[in-house]
Amino acid sequence: EIVMTQSPATLSVSPGEAATLSCRASHSVSRNLAWYQQKPGQAPRLLIYGASTRASGIPARFSGSGSGTEFTLTISSLQSEDFAVYYCQQYNNPVTFGQGTKVEIK
Amino acid sequence: EVQLVESGGGLVQPGRSLRLSCAASGFKFDDYAMHWVRQAPGKGLEWVSGISWNSGAITYADFVKGRFTISRDNAQNSLYLQVNNVRPGDTAFYFCAKDMGKRYGAAPFDSWGQGTLVTVSS
Repeated sequence: EIVMTQSPATLSVSPGEAATLSCRASHSVSRNLAWYQQKPGQAPRLLIYGASTRASGIPARFSGSGSGTEFTLTISSLQSEDFAVYYCQQYNNPVTFGQGTKVEIK
Repeated sequence: EVQLVESGGGLVQPGRSLRLSCAASGFKFDDYAMHWVRQAPGKGLEWVSGISWNSGAITYADFVKGRFTISRDNAQNSLYLQVNNVRPGDTAFYFCAKDMGKRYGAAPFDSWGQGTLVTVSS
């Protein structure tokens, strides 16, 4: 099983600032990496897949990069609706998720 | 519009069984793999199991240890998860999720249900 490790656990950011979230895989996942956003009481929402492709309807302020074992999600200018928990997922078989990064208001 | 609606959760005693269901609509169900993902209250996401479009390929997370069985009925546009010998550690929201591909292992999950809560307690 591939272990996904996200950092930091919590990120405090002011609205309008940029946020950079990291995800590391214990073994190479190529570019089979996705990012999800989850708000309290809601289901996760797919943001990025293929490490850098935005899902349908996702604003351009969300971008992903990386390959192999190191990945980054960048939110260029945080809006109020972006404060949430973000999970990375590698979708080789079997699927595994990171433990999440909470982006909170500074 | 894709809709996934889970049902079958509730309070269940340790050692008992339950069957979770997911009713799908708004897309051609038999064109996509499907998954179950769970989330204990206040915790992270944990993938449980995946099933290919035609049930020809099925995979479980290691922790399942033979207690869970995933299945689907393409004629009824439905996904199921049979959970046997439930334990307190199975307490979680259980989400069904749609894969972007026919098989799993190559695509992420682009639609999720709202989840059904399973609480295991005596």
